[in-house]
Order: sequence, then structure tokens, then C-alpha cells
Amino acid sequence: QVQLQESGPGLVKPSQTLSLTCTVSGDSISSGRSYWTWIRQPAGKGLEWMGRIYTSGTTNYNPSLKSRVTISADTSKSQFSLKLSSVSAADTAVYYCARDPAALDAFDIWGQGTVVTVPS
Amino acid sequence: QSALTQPPSVSGSPGQSVTISCTGTSSDIGNYNRVSWYRQPPGTAPKLMIYDVSNRPSGVPDRFSGSKSGNTASLTISGLQAEDEADYYCSSYTTSSSYVFGTGTKVTVL
Repeated sequence: QVQLQESGPGLVKPSQTLSLTCTVSGDSISSGRSYWTWIRQPAGKGLEWMGRIYTSGTTNYNPSLKSRVTISADTSKSQFSLKLSSVSAADTAVYYCARDPAALDAFDIWGQGTVVTVPS
Repeated sequence: QSALTQPPSVSGSPGQSVTISCTGTSSDIGNYNRVSWYRQPPGTAPKLMIYDVSNRPSGVPDRFSGSKSGNTASLTISGLQAEDEADYYCSSYTTSSSYVFGTGTKVTVL
């Protein structure tokens, strides 16, 4: 059974860098079968795709966040990570990691989500 | 990139059918058959219901069906059940090698 689990600080100060990690179990992030993705959702609002990483290290980012987002992977730990710089209150959200199998073009397995708050 | 446009809410009685539209542009829905749909009950993570416009993952009832015409995709829920009450989101791959989600639709079972 494939599981994803987000972890990281729940509170980040304005202008600092938000850092989250997603730990994958039951699948290999280096298999080449999937992209590994970050998605966020402000309270009461819709979903926003942030970016993804492939086994080769290739990344794609949301154009609106590209200047602030970095996604990386540590295959030895079966983890991939998100860094979002220069955060503001607008970055307060539930952050999800998800699997995007290349054969599906969709997000089939999601983590439970982690709440990150940036005080105003 | 702008979010795909969905109606804020739809409703129906148990057993009825409801359809949710998802309108994009020629840079996303109109250019790819990579449209997916997700169901999100309150306080939980989204669940994949449809991928590649009309395919259902294993375990998703055949009451859920998807289609696409031009820049608009649609999700139809037939035989509406109480458990279908949730928020629904569409998503599409884009020409920017990224994904965009819809604005979300709240489905209410009357």
C-alpha cells in the first residue's frame, strides 16, 4: 500500500523560507514510473498545483510561483521536499504531497496534508 | 495561469443525476486529454475519481463518468447518493508543462 506523509514546521515567519518533506512508503521515487508533486489549499479555497519532480531530477513549477519554489528529492531516504521562499500570509494553507503516475496524468495517491501558517 | 472555471454549486435529490462543468482554454483542456476529477469531503484529502477525461481508477463506481468537448470538460454523477456530497475539482495539464485546477464545485444532496 502506497502512503505519503508530509512533515515540517506548522508556523513560518513572514519573509522566511517554508520547508516541507514528503516521505514515501510502498513505492520507489526513483522508479521512473511517477512524478512527485506538491499541491496546496488555503482554508476554504481551491487547490493550487505548485510543482513536481521526476526521478531524473527534472522539475516543473507553477509559473506563478516559479521564482519562489524549489522541489528536490533524496532517493536514499525515499523523500522529496518543498522549499518556498519569501513567504507571506497568503502562503498560509494545507500543503499536500501527491503521486502523479506518468501513465495516468493525474494525482492518484495523496498525503493527509499538513497545515502551515504564516502570521500577518 | 488562471484556474479552470466550475460552477460554485450543484444539487440534486438522491437517485438523480448532476453534471459539473469545467471550462478552460486552448492552452489546457482544449489541447490535451489529460483532464482529471477529484472528490474532497470536508477536512480530508482529495480523491481521484476520473483521469484522462473519462477513465475511472479501480474502485470508483461507474456512476461517475467524464467527458470533454472543446475547452470544456464535464463530470456526471448518476444515481446520486448521500456520500457523494463533497467538493469536486477538475484539473488539466497545460502547455506550460504544469497543471491547473478548477475553482471547485460543492455538490449538495437534497
